[in-house]
Amino acid sequence: NAGVMQNPRHLVRRRGQEARLRCSPMKGHSHVYWYRQLPEEGLKFMVYLQKENIIDESGMPKERFSAEFPKEGPSILRIQQVVRGDSAAYFCASSPPIGRQAAYEQYFGPGTRLTVT
Amino acid sequence: GENVEQHPSTLSVQEGDSAVIKCTYSDSASNYFPWYKQELGKRPQLIIDIRSNVGEKKDQRIAVTLNKTAKHFSLHITETQPEDSAVYFCAASLSQAGTALIFGKGTTLSVSS
Repeated sequence: NAGVMQNPRHLVRRRGQEARLRCSPMKGHSHVYWYRQLPEEGLKFMVYLQKENIIDESGMPKERFSAEFPKEGPSILRIQQVVRGDSAAYFCASSPPIGRQAAYEQYFGPGTRLTVT
Repeated sequence: GENVEQHPSTLSVQEGDSAVIKCTYSDSASNYFPWYKQELGKRPQLIIDIRSNVGEKKDQRIAVTLNKTAKHFSLHITETQPEDSAVYFCAASLSQAGTALIFGKGTTLSVSS
């Protein structure tokens, strides 16, 4: 039973470059969430998506950040023109479809550690 | 919006002792309270959760208690072992799909043998 998959696990970008982070939810899960974890901090919610729809992006910075979850393929978190302050661990989580038991339980992937130099 | 406070930030115990981590939340509408364990460089793992229709839940050496009136909940680990050493996060949310988890800042638990 494959868990939530994320790649790459580590990503180094120079200031001004673009970062693309990918997340494949657990089999059978249809909800994807992205969280950011700064050093010594808890996880902060960024965005919640279902297939082809952004449902809640209240935690996303207004500029440079975008997310998608296409009909086919993984969810993508895209950060344009990265700055040093974007350096963090980015975690994706998934949950079962609405109507399934415990549809509110979120299971996390291993994260992508982004370093901006 | 919801705010979750977690204490202590660090906790050191001897192997075999008990450990207690406490969290408070602000939004009385929250009714789902999961706990995650994160080892260094690894993913947060859901270890136990509680919904507000119960006051306590146990799973082997781990238990969680909830006081909805006081808006606080706690994680209890008994007979601690070195492999319990990790960062533990509490969170609060609604028990419905699509709701963001609001996390505390974490507690670093160190169990020495």
